[in-house]
Amino acid sequence: AQSVTQLDSQVPVFEEAPVELRCNYSSSVSVYLFWYVQYPNQGLQLLLKYLSGSTLVKGINGFEAEFNKSQTSFHLRKPSVHISDTAEYFCAVSDLGGATNKLIFGTGTLLAVQP
Amino acid sequence: NAGVTQTPKFQVLKTGQSMTLQCAQDMNHEYMSWYRQDPGMGLRLIHYSVGAGITDQGEVPNGYNVSRSTTEDFPLRLLSAAPSQTSVYFCASSSWEGGTEAFFGQGTRLTVV
Repeated sequence: AQSVTQLDSQVPVFEEAPVELRCNYSSSVSVYLFWYVQYPNQGLQLLLKYLSGSTLVKGINGFEAEFNKSQTSFHLRKPSVHISDTAEYFCAVSDLGGATNKLIFGTGTLLAVQP
Repeated sequence: NAGVTQTPKFQVLKTGQSMTLQCAQDMNHEYMSWYRQDPGMGLRLIHYSVGAGITDQGEVPNGYNVSRSTTEDFPLRLLSAAPSQTSVYFCASSSWEGGTEAFFGQGTRLTVV
C-alpha cells in the first residue's frame, strides 16, 4: 500500500520570499510522483511530475521539485512567490508500471502568500 | 474541448434521499475516477473505472455506486444520503497508463442535511 504525507497543513509566506512545501511518501513499489494545485473553488491541475531520469523537475508557474529516493521525498519549491500562488497544493503518487492511473493524494498544504 | 464536466455544481439533499452526480469527459480517456475532498483529509478515492463496463472500488466506496456504460460518462450514485457524505466531489479522467496527467472537473459541493 502507498501513502503520502504532507506535514504542513498551512504555510504562510510573504510575497517574493522563497517557499518549500514538503512531501514524503511510502510505497513497497516504485512510484510516479506528482504535485497538483487547486485554486479557490476550482478543480485540481497538474503542476509537475516525476517519472524517471533527472531528479530535479520543473513545472508551470516557476515551481520545481526534487525527487530524493533515499529520503522518499518530493519537496516542491519556488524561489519567489506571488500573491497569485495562493492555493492548496497536493502531492500524489501512482504505481510505476501499474495497470491503472490510480492516484493516492496527501492531505494538502495551503500556501497563503501575504503582501 | 470541454475537458471534464461535472453537474450539478451545488446540491443540498435531505438524509435518505438519493441522487446521481454526473461526470462526462470528451478526451476519449479510458480511466475515470471519483474522489471526495474533506478538510484536512485531502482527496480520497471512491470508485474508478479503466474502461466501459469495468469499475472497481477505491478507498471509501461505501454508500456509493458507479457504472460505466460509455467511455465518456461515469456517474456517481448516492443510494441513501447521509450527513457523513457532505463533501466536495471531484471526477477525474486520464489515460489508463500510470504517470499520465489526470484532468479534474470543477467539483460538486454536496450538503446532506
